[in-house]
Order: sequence, then structure tokens, then C-alpha cells
Amino acid sequence: AQKVTQAQTEISVVEKEDVTLDCVYETRDTTYYLFWYKQPPSGELGFLIRRNSFDEQNEISGRYSWNFQKSTSSFNFTITASQVVDSAVYFCALGGTASKLTFGTGTRLQVTL
Amino acid sequence: NAGVMQNPRHLVRRRGQEARLRCSPMKGHSHVYWYRQLPEEGLKFMVYLQKENIIDESGMPKERFSAEFPKEGPSILRIQQVVRGDSAAYFCASSPLQGFRNEKLFFGSGTQLSVL
Repeated sequence: AQKVTQAQTEISVVEKEDVTLDCVYETRDTTYYLFWYKQPPSGELGFLIRRNSFDEQNEISGRYSWNFQKSTSSFNFTITASQVVDSAVYFCALGGTASKLTFGTGTRLQVTL
Repeated sequence: NAGVMQNPRHLVRRRGQEARLRCSPMKGHSHVYWYRQLPEEGLKFMVYLQKENIIDESGMPKERFSAEFPKEGPSILRIQQVVRGDSAAYFCASSPLQGFRNEKLFFGSGTQLSVL
């Protein structure tokens, strides 16, 4: 069975602080895919990144970066110099050979001035 | 290129009524997935459909829930005789290929179902 754990339920930071959202996954699939999604207060689910299990390169996109470590089964997400617009619930998700995603319970990020 | 379109955005039903949720996938996408998000929880997979076929319904409750994706028209998630516990946000996603070989899995804006 697949499982995704986001241990941080809620994080509050002050604008311009860096923040890391943790994601730990479990799977028996040798080929799998990891995703991060952002859900702002309006409710839409916005895609942030997809990573496959064969690509452990870290990725940076503007203020966002992702650290994939197979050795610890983790796919952490860092926001550098956070902004108020980053306030949202962030979901980590895992997809394997079956065509469905397993989501974590989400981390609510609150960025204040 | 329009994204995944879901309607209605909000749906209010009384206990015992039927709820019909619609999802139009992105143009060129023939694979549709439905997920349910209960308050303060992550999304849970319900069903995966291709045109005219249900591929995986392992996450769908056995009773009262059904889904279809006809040859023409949107995918429909149907909930009969709704109960308060069905209140949730229902999200649809679509992809052009089976599995996750495609770069992204796009989600719609969701339908918030409220059962009174």
C-alpha cells in the first residue's frame, strides 16, 4: 500500500522567512512519481511539480525548491523568502503503477506581514 | 486551451436527493479521475475512467455512488440519496495518457457539495 505523511499540520512564518514543508512517502513500486500541489483559500488545486523516482536531482523554480532523497523516502519543499501570497495548503502526493494519486493530509502555511 | 472544467462550483442538496457533478476534461484528454476531499483532509481517490470505460473504481463507495464518462459529453459523478457525510469537495482531474508518464495531472476547481 502507498502512504504519504505530511507531519506538519500547520506552519506560520513571517514574510521573507524561508520555510520547508516535509513529505515522507512509502511505496513498494520501483517506479513512482511524486507531486506537490498548492491549494489557496479559493480552493483550486494548482500543480507545482512532478518528479519521477529515477530522477533525484533537486529542482529550483524561482523561490521554490524541492529536495528528493530516496534514501530517506522524502520529497521536501522549500519556499525561500516567503510571501503572503504563498499562504495556502500544500499537498504532497504519490503515484505508482496504478493510475491514481495518494495524497498526504496537507500542510497549511500561513505567511504574515 | 481551457483547463479541466467542473460544474457546478457549489451544489446544495437536501438529504435523500440526488447530486450530479460534471467534469469536462482538458481538450485531447481521454482519462478522467475523481477525488473527494473531506474537510481538513487530503484528497482521496474515488474512480478512474476512460471514454465509456471504468478502469478503477476501488475508491468508490459501493452504494449510492456511480460514475460515467460517455463517448460524448462530460464525465458525471452521481450520488443518489445523499447523506450529510457526503458533504465534501469533489475534484476531477484529467490526463492524455494512462499513468503518470505525462508531465502534469491537471485538476479542476472542484465542486463543493453541501448536504442539508
